[in-house]
Amino acid sequence: EDQVTQSPEALRLQEGESSSLNCSYTVSGLRGLFWYRQDPGKGPEFLFTLYSAGEEKEKERLKATLTKKESFLHITAPKPEDSATYLCAVQAADSWGKLQFGAGTQVVVTP
Amino acid sequence: NAGVMQNPRHLVRRRGQEARLRCSPMKGHSHVYWYRQLPEEGLKFMVYLQKENIIDESGMPKERFSAEFPKEGPSILRIQQVVRGDSAAYFCASSRPGQSSGANVLTFGAGSRLTVL
Repeated sequence: EDQVTQSPEALRLQEGESSSLNCSYTVSGLRGLFWYRQDPGKGPEFLFTLYSAGEEKEKERLKATLTKKESFLHITAPKPEDSATYLCAVQAADSWGKLQFGAGTQVVVTP
Repeated sequence: NAGVMQNPRHLVRRRGQEARLRCSPMKGHSHVYWYRQLPEEGLKFMVYLQKENIIDESGMPKERFSAEFPKEGPSILRIQQVVRGDSAAYFCASSRPGQSSGANVLTFGAGSRLTVL
């Protein structure tokens, strides 16, 4: 069965203090790995899709990387507005839309 | 572009009543997905629909839950005879048909929060 495990569960950072979030996955053939951001009371907001090991994508202070077993979301010099829950999800090769989500990492960035 | 529209945003039902949640996909999207987020848990897939077709319902509870996406109008998630354990946030997402890579980027709505008294 496909599994996604995110760590840590929660992360408290000072503004400007860079860190990384981990997403470990097992899937029967990877069609895509997704990162989403979710703010309280809102729906997940798409950040990145990664398709193959070695791939990297960047957006502002965020950078996502992918290996055959895990993905990292690096937050460089975070700001308070980066506070959110970050969700990782995988789509299996035999799936046409079903995403398996991890439980998320709740990030709080303090000024 | 109004995005994925869900209503109602909040719904309160008593045990045994019916809940109907509606979802209008983004313009140009023909695929709809429903996910459930229980308190302190991650998002769980429920069902994947295209117009007038259920493509994958492997995450739907066997009883009391049903979903449809008619030719005209929004997608509906229906929960009959609700119980307290149905209290959750229900998210709808939509996408275009898969691209050459086959990975569907899902755009989520703001969710409908069901509370069962």
